[in-house]
Amino acid sequence: GDSVTQMEGPVTLSEEAFLTINCTYTATGYPSLFWYVQYPGEGLQLLLKATKADDKGSNKGFEATYRKETTSFHLEKGSVQVSDSAVYFCALSDQGGSYIPTFGRGTSLIVHP
Amino acid sequence: KAGVTQTPRYLIKTRGQQVTLSCSPISGHRSVSWYQQTPGQGLQFLFEYFSETQRNKGNFPGRFSGRQFSNSRSEMNVSTLELGDSALYLCASSLVGTSGGKETQYFGPGTRLLVL
Repeated sequence: GDSVTQMEGPVTLSEEAFLTINCTYTATGYPSLFWYVQYPGEGLQLLLKATKADDKGSNKGFEATYRKETTSFHLEKGSVQVSDSAVYFCALSDQGGSYIPTFGRGTSLIVHP
Repeated sequence: KAGVTQTPRYLIKTRGQQVTLSCSPISGHRSVSWYQQTPGQGLQFLFEYFSETQRNKGNFPGRFSGRQFSNSRSEMNVSTLELGDSALYLCASSLVGTSGGKETQYFGPGTRLLVL
């Protein structure tokens, strides 16, 4: 079945550091890929998405490129801020399958001033 | 436009009781999905409702059920509560839901359920 694997956290960075959170997936069909962010005490918010291979999703300085050849959708940001501290979830929806959305376990990001 | 709202935000129950959670989707959204989030299992899909019909279901026991009303509001019910049901229950809405697979889901803040 479909699955999403994210790097273990927490990821701890200093403000203005470069961020990468790895995400790889397995899917039977042609998935769309998503990154969601969850701030403390809140639900998930869509951060960015990509619906086909080689698409790049971007939002608020975050980027991720849909790499079909490596089945990856790594999240990057050039310069993190303290306000980026949150839990980040990689997810997929498999358009060719029965569609039950699949989420990674989440990666906690802590940014220090 | 108002976001997804969930009530109540916090709930404490004892084993064996039942609980009903409510979700109001964004206006115009017809699909409502429910998720359970726990530290051990992460985020797991419970079920999706569209136009008052359950369209998809995750791998949860029959104690977990739901329904959707004609105004798209949805309720989730858990009967005979167990300690392991303690979790954050998230609701998400979208325009047409799983039929497209590309659609964005908008999440509510969740209901935190504690079972004692």
